[in-house]
Amino acid sequence: SQKIEQNSEALNIQEGKTATLTCNYTNYSPAYLQWYRQDPGRGPVFLLLIRENEKEKRKERLKVTFDTTLKQSLFHITASQPADSATYLCALPDTGRRALTFGSGTRLQVQP
Amino acid sequence: NAGVTQTPKFRILKIGQSMTLQCTQDMNHNYMYWYRQDPGMGLKLIYYSVGAGITDKGEVPNGYNVSRSTTEDFPLRLELAAPSQTSVYFCASRKGQMNSYNSPLHFGNGTRLTVT
Repeated sequence: SQKIEQNSEALNIQEGKTATLTCNYTNYSPAYLQWYRQDPGRGPVFLLLIRENEKEKRKERLKVTFDTTLKQSLFHITASQPADSATYLCALPDTGRRALTFGSGTRLQVQP
Repeated sequence: NAGVTQTPKFRILKIGQSMTLQCTQDMNHNYMYWYRQDPGMGLKLIYYSVGAGITDKGEVPNGYNVSRSTTEDFPLRLELAAPSQTSVYFCASRKGQMNSYNSPLHFGNGTRLTVT
């Protein structure tokens, strides 16, 4: 079955630096990949979608890459701010493309 | 738009009790989902629906039931609560029309359920 792996250890960085989060997957060839942000006590909020034929996608300070050969997506936040502190989840469509399968998320802590 | 609304926010159940978690959306989305999230774990799909009158099992359906009588509402029923059902439950919805299979999920803020 498909498996999604995100670094379970929290990522701590200094304000102003670039945060890079990794999402690896196996046994799957997804047509797209999505990234979500989740704050404590809240539901996930959609950030970005990248398709299999797109190498890179940007939105303001966010950048996502998608390497279908390595089966990996990287999520970058440039000029990070304490307000970026949250858990970030990657998600891939299931084989029927009707639902999303989520990784366990990586918690990002940006220190002022 | 209120988006996806879940009630209650918190609930404590005794083993063997039953309850219904409510979910409603006002975005006219035809796809709706129930996920559970345990500490340190990803979201696990319980049930989903592609439209009124149609439901399907997800990865972890045992111990739960759903119904979808209207586009707006997708309640999740726990018949005999067990400690293993202690979790945070999230309802989500998205557009499911032609050429929008990759539309993002819109989540509610969850119901935190404890079974003791």
